[in-house]
Amino acid sequence: EAGVAQSPRYKIIEKRQSVAFWCNPISGHATLYWYQQILGQGPKLLIQFQNNGVVDDSQLPKDRFSAERLKGVDSTLKIQPAKLEDSAVYLCASSLESGHYGYTFGSGTRLTVV
Amino acid sequence: DAKTTQPPSMDCAEGRAANLPCNHSTISGNEYVYWYRQIHSQGPQYIIHGLKNNETNEMASLIITEDRKSSTLILPHATLRDTAVYYCIVTREGYALNFGKGTSLLVTP
Repeated sequence: EAGVAQSPRYKIIEKRQSVAFWCNPISGHATLYWYQQILGQGPKLLIQFQNNGVVDDSQLPKDRFSAERLKGVDSTLKIQPAKLEDSAVYLCASSLESGHYGYTFGSGTRLTVV
Repeated sequence: DAKTTQPPSMDCAEGRAANLPCNHSTISGNEYVYWYRQIHSQGPQYIIHGLKNNETNEMASLIITEDRKSSTLILPHATLRDTAVYYCIVTREGYALNFGKGTSLLVTP
């Protein structure tokens, strides 16, 4: 089966600019997650979707981050405006049900804010 | 969610078994133990999970103690490609995975 697709693979922006990341989960996977991974740390959950509804966004910095999952399939994560500390890899993952069968992660988008 | 404790790093000789420990002394009865690994520049990869019984698949074995307060991931014949960060995560079904810092495993020739 095709994996979780993410784009772009790399992005460099200046602080205060905006950026958007795209994720296409595995077909039929109802649950989608966005994680932020800062260098040297484990991934940190930003938001969890079940179909097109938000299940958990408690760790999403809502003053600058937003995410949506239209029609319960693709998802976009946006940062506006970006800060230096947002430099990280942004990982998207999906699962058939809410976590029970294991997640499949994409390769991530590496964001550098300068 | 229960917290986990893992050693920050381990070494293993190629061809030998790699035994990665994880402590989860505050685990609840309905929480599963999941293991993922992350090879450099890739997203984490699911390895195995279990509730209370030992589990085995084509990648690894998971041994969970009877009191469920600790577990061990076993890679029976480690190869250089097994060099990665290994994450032990405890969570309830339906809840998102919360990753710690994991164990950095280095497999040497």
